[in-house]
Amino acid sequence: DAGVIQSPRHEVTEMGQEVTLRCKPISGHDYLFWYRQTMMRGLELLIYFNNNVPIDDSGMPEDRFSAKMPNASFSTLKIQPSEPRDSAVYFCASSPAYNEQFFGPGTRLTVL
Amino acid sequence: ILNVEQSPQSLHVQEGDSTNFTCSFPSSNFYALHWYRWETAKSPEALFVMTLNGDEKKKGRISATLNTKEGYSYLYIKGSQPEDSATYLCAFSLRGGADGLTFGKGTHLIIQP
Repeated sequence: DAGVIQSPRHEVTEMGQEVTLRCKPISGHDYLFWYRQTMMRGLELLIYFNNNVPIDDSGMPEDRFSAKMPNASFSTLKIQPSEPRDSAVYFCASSPAYNEQFFGPGTRLTVL
Repeated sequence: ILNVEQSPQSLHVQEGDSTNFTCSFPSSNFYALHWYRWETAKSPEALFVMTLNGDEKKKGRISATLNTKEGYSYLYIKGSQPEDSATYLCAFSLRGGADGLTFGKGTHLIIQP
């Protein structure tokens, strides 16, 4: 298995632009998680899905952030419009129910 | 708000020495405690998941213990090697609630040859 796949690995964009991050979970995993990592706050849960359904999005910082999971093998995290304070590493993780989570390599986002 | 506290924040250890560090978490509504190892420029890698009070897990030279009544877990590394250098994260999940993990900020371990 290739593990959790994220794209792009690096994204540099200008303030105000739309950014879309992509994730392909491990096949057969029912849960998908989006995390954000910053120096100040460490790893924070943004949103997670169970069987493609969003369960808890209380960690999404504001309305500029949205996430979708149209099928079991694909999820997106969108930021529109992006701001410099959104610069961070965004991780996607997947897991079988109530078990260890497997993290993707992350997307390093820089908003200028 | 759930607080997961890890200490120390960073640690320098001589190669060959043993070391340990702590994770503190809320003891109410506990479901599981996870330990992850995170090397620079890589993604976090799961080490252990523990759910029962008194659980002890071991993987090679690394082991962990869990006390859910008082809300802490220890991670031990025996005979540290340079490849043990990494950030060690603990994370906590609630019973019957969110399945997402609340992470501590990690202990950054540097093994000096």
